Amino acid sequence: DGGITQSPKYLFRKEGQNVTLSCEQNLNHDAMYWYRQDPGQGLRLIYYSQIVNDFQKGDIAEGYSVSREKKESFPLTVTSAQKNPTAFYLCASSPGGGQRSGNTIYFGEGSWLTVV
Amino acid sequence: QQQVKQSPQSLIVQKGGISIINCAYENTAFDYFPWYQQFPGKGPALLIAIRPDVSEKKEGRFTISFNKSAKQFSLHIMDSQPGDSATYFCAASIETSYDKVIFGPGTSLSVIP
Repeated sequence: DGGITQSPKYLFRKEGQNVTLSCEQNLNHDAMYWYRQDPGQGLRLIYYSQIVNDFQKGDIAEGYSVSREKKESFPLTVTSAQKNPTAFYLCASSPGGGQRSGNTIYFGEGSWLTVV
Repeated sequence: QQQVKQSPQSLIVQKGGISIINCAYENTAFDYFPWYQQFPGKGPALLIAIRPDVSEKKEGRFTISFNKSAKQFSLHIMDSQPGDSATYFCAASIETSYDKVIFGPGTSLSVIP
């Protein structure tokens, strides 16, 4: 089945710890994204990548880092600099710019991160 | 100019009624307007999308109405069912560009029996 796989589904982080959320897609999409969603709130863009080895900051990049070494993978690291990381994290992908429906975004099932 | 406004923030509809969610945009270059449906604890899923060359698109009980001159588009859910209870996000983008997609803030819909 084609889709976006996020892992783990639930993650607990201790104060001062870095944690990494995994995201893999087999849709052959060029673009990938990370969004943060707080309870009852909308979608806020953390980072996005339109092509391998390139990524751009979104609206709330502080305290987060990403890498895009492979087309299929776009892991997100939540660093200790992120003071309020408890949230629902959504990875997404799209075919990519320059093509019809290039910006149709497909989301993964999400990962819950809780600070303990 | 990149903002997408969405209303209402929350909506309660009786089973069998019509749910209407409205969105407005400012950037006239936007040419692709999708709607997403999100159930609690799940990722949003593409529900229906419209391009400005048509004024209406219907898929089952879901219809998008598009008013290019007013820069507004809306989602109508006919014969609303309890299973439609979810959060709905509208979005806008320039379809073939590398610019990011702009999402509305979302509408929480509750359909009561």
